[in-house]
Amino acid sequence: DTEVTQTPKHLVMGMTNKKSLKCEQHMGHRAMYWYKQKAKKPPELMFVYSYEKLSINESVPSRFSPECPNSSLLNLHLHALQPEDSALYLCASRRTSGVLANTGELFFGEGSRLTVL
Amino acid sequence: GENVEQHPSTLSVQEGDSAVIKCTYSDSASNYFPWYKQELGKRPQLIIDIRSNVGEKKDQRIAVTLNKTAKHFSLHITETQPEDSAVYFCAAGFQKLVFGTGTRLLVSP
Repeated sequence: DTEVTQTPKHLVMGMTNKKSLKCEQHMGHRAMYWYKQKAKKPPELMFVYSYEKLSINESVPSRFSPECPNSSLLNLHLHALQPEDSALYLCASRRTSGVLANTGELFFGEGSRLTVL
Repeated sequence: GENVEQHPSTLSVQEGDSAVIKCTYSDSASNYFPWYKQELGKRPQLIIDIRSNVGEKKDQRIAVTLNKTAKHFSLHITETQPEDSAVYFCAAGFQKLVFGTGTRLLVSP
């Protein structure tokens, strides 16, 4: 299995809602990422988890709350979002062991397209 | 932190021509330089990458060059085809990968 799976593919939520984005991979990668991508812009790093510990938080507002419950799963909890948070949220993983451990290659999921009304 | 600049922002070529996209980076500690192709509404797809201990890498019609001293790297696509039309992003870093601003490539038949 060489896939990063993200659910849901599309999400529409109000500013008072609480929702979660989910990401799963079974490649044994112990580095997992959340990126945010607005239309016609590059992906912007939000969070990095390394061996299930948060290693990088790019000063993301607290209305975004990441969670890594185990080595295969990564969640992004959303609460009290703003319309400007509407974007494509991309999850990615990176190989951390084996002969190709230091390649740096990111494996991206298809993304969750979020619309905040 | 790392800052990646990418040029041009748009590039139009005729089918069969070559296309070159250039990027510069700021952090000399960056040691991994991938190029991603992203079609509309889809995820970024890695097309080629290069590490800091290599100056050039080629994969069929695609090549990447890296000049560590000048902190710049370039993507070269030869014999372009309409299906090469997409947005291309360079990136630099390793654990923390920072993306360039993107180049919209349009290949006309």
